[in-house]
Amino acid sequence: DTEVTQTPKHLVMGMTNKKSLKCEQHMGHRAMYWYKQKAKKPPELMFVYSYEKLSINESVPSRFSPECPNSSLLNLHLHALQPEDSALYLCASSPRTIPAGELFFGEGSRLTVL
Amino acid sequence: AQRVTQPEKLLSVFKGAPVELKCNYSYSGSPELFWYVQYSRQRLQLLLRHISRESIKGFTADLNKGETSFHLKKPFAQEEDSAMYYCALSTQGGSEKLVFGKGTKLTVNP
Repeated sequence: DTEVTQTPKHLVMGMTNKKSLKCEQHMGHRAMYWYKQKAKKPPELMFVYSYEKLSINESVPSRFSPECPNSSLLNLHLHALQPEDSALYLCASSPRTIPAGELFFGEGSRLTVL
Repeated sequence: AQRVTQPEKLLSVFKGAPVELKCNYSYSGSPELFWYVQYSRQRLQLLLRHISRESIKGFTADLNKGETSFHLKKPFAQEEDSAMYYCALSTQGGSEKLVFGKGTKLTVNP
């Protein structure tokens, strides 16, 4: 399996809901990433996990909470989001941690916050 | 600070014409450069990386350290090349972070 799989593909949530985005890879990659991408913009880094430990948090609001339960899974827990958080959330993995190498991206989870 | 600049937000060429997407970087150390492509409704994927020095889908890119550039070139553009292209920089400074440029949207007209 050489893909990064993200679920759900689409998510609509209210500002008081709690939901989670999931990401899975079975390539043995030890670095996993969450990015946020707005329309026609480059991906913005949110979090990096290296060997299942959080190594980079790009000053993301606490309403986004990442979790890496094991080397294959990455979650992003969402709570009390704002409409401006609506975006495509991309997960990526990489066989190399430091320095950053080739990233393998998932198709993304398109989030709409009402 | 590390930075990647893609000066053209939009680039439009005709099928069969040469195309060059510009990328300049700012980094004092030894960089590693990548080009990523995002076709409509597809995932972001690696197109090529400078250390492999290969041609993918007819595209090539050469790292020019003197000009701090990593321009993407293709001699004869095809309609299926229409996509969003991002240049990205990895630094040897001990970080998992990949620095992306703002992207260039390439449209190849028939």
